[in-house]
Amino acid sequence: QITLKESGPTLVKPTQTLTLTCTFSGFSLSTSRVGVGWIRQPPGKALEWLALIYGNDEKRYSPSLKSRLTISKDTSKNQVVLTMTNMDPVDTATYYCAHDVPGLTGFDYWGQGSLVTVSS
Amino acid sequence: QSVLTQPPSVSGTPGQRVTIYCSGSSSNIGSNNVYWYQQLPGTAPKLLIYTNNQRPSGVPDRFSGSKSGTSASLAISGLRSEDEADYYCAAWDDSLSGVVFGGGTKLTVL
Repeated sequence: QITLKESGPTLVKPTQTLTLTCTFSGFSLSTSRVGVGWIRQPPGKALEWLALIYGNDEKRYSPSLKSRLTISKDTSKNQVVLTMTNMDPVDTATYYCAHDVPGLTGFDYWGQGSLVTVSS
Repeated sequence: QSVLTQPPSVSGTPGQRVTIYCSGSSSNIGSNNVYWYQQLPGTAPKLLIYTNNQRPSGVPDRFSGSKSGTSASLAISGLRSEDEADYYCAAWDDSLSGVVFGGGTKLTVL
């Protein structure tokens, strides 16, 4: 049974760096055939893909946010970490992590989401 | 502005069939698989259709997906009140080397 859960701060100040952790179980992020992605959703708005990391450590980033994002994994802890620098109020959103089998299943398992508010 | 284009809203009455369209380009839908997600109010998205027309286990066969050229569609037959949700299409984009989502379609069951 695959589960994922996001954790991190609920409130960050403008210009600060956000660090979110996705802790998962039920699979191993150790092959290129498995990935974990981050997707966010501002209140009342659409889903926006942020980043992906595969088991072979290959990484992909949204071109519009690439300069601010870093994704990494700790296979021994079954965790994926996303950092986003220079946070702004427009980054207020629910941040989701999700399991991915590239080119096949899409994001087939999702975490519950973590609401992050950017405000001074 | 989303890379994939969906109508903001569709509606139907119980028992009806509705179709949600998703328009893209040769770099995304035209050359990669399409996925559909259902998001019920206040919940995380749920995978509804993968690789254009496949249903994950547990998804009723009232939901069906198709793809033609640079467009895709999600059809829901035998509409039920519990189908009221936001629906998103997604695909890999070769030009952007990333995942692109549609802007979402809100389905209202009248």
